[in-house]
Amino acid sequence: GDSVTQTEGLVTVTEGLPVMLNCTYQTAYSDVAFFWYVQYLNEAPKLLLRSSTDNKRTEHQGFHATLHKSSSSFHLQKSSVQLSDSALYYCALRTNTGKLTFGDGTVLTVKP
Amino acid sequence: NAGVIQTPRHKVTGKGQEATLWCEPISGHSAVFWYRQTIVQGLEFLTYFRNQAPIDDSGMPKERFSAQMPNQSHSTLKIQSTQPQDSAVYLCASSLAGRGNTEVFFGKGTRLTVV
Repeated sequence: GDSVTQTEGLVTVTEGLPVMLNCTYQTAYSDVAFFWYVQYLNEAPKLLLRSSTDNKRTEHQGFHATLHKSSSSFHLQKSSVQLSDSALYYCALRTNTGKLTFGDGTVLTVKP
Repeated sequence: NAGVIQTPRHKVTGKGQEATLWCEPISGHSAVFWYRQTIVQGLEFLTYFRNQAPIDDSGMPKERFSAQMPNQSHSTLKIQSTQPQDSAVYLCASSLAGRGNTEVFFGKGTRLTVV
């Protein structure tokens, strides 16, 4: 079946420094869309980024990600993190069956 | 647009009792999902409906869990004979289209505690 792997369960970064959250995937489908969702404490997950185009960078709220089908990856990056970026981040894929599968999530903690 | 509405927000049940969770998707959305969220398992897929029809229930524990979508305005997740390990936040989500990179919107969840 489809799977999404987020290798880091917890990432701690100092404010102002860059960060990359890893996301790799496995799927037998070729027509697939990819997402990053962010969840703040006691809130619902909400969409941060999405893409279905290979090798095209997508950006939102200072974060960016590029889908690389050659390496089955959709890593999330930010060049300068802020304290307010502290949250739980999920990578997800959606196949053309419509099913949305999430990784285990990465907790990002930004320290002053 | 009130978003995806889930009721109740909190539910406490005794071990062995039944729990029914309700979800009202965003009006006009054709796809409805149920997920279970715990610290250990993260966002665990349970089941998925498209145009009210069950498409994929591969994540549902078969013996005690069931989900229905009797009309386009609500879905229910029923857990029979609840067990302590069922304690979790249950999230409902919906999207306008049944596939592709259409945004999936989440409700605020129902926190189920089995005592």
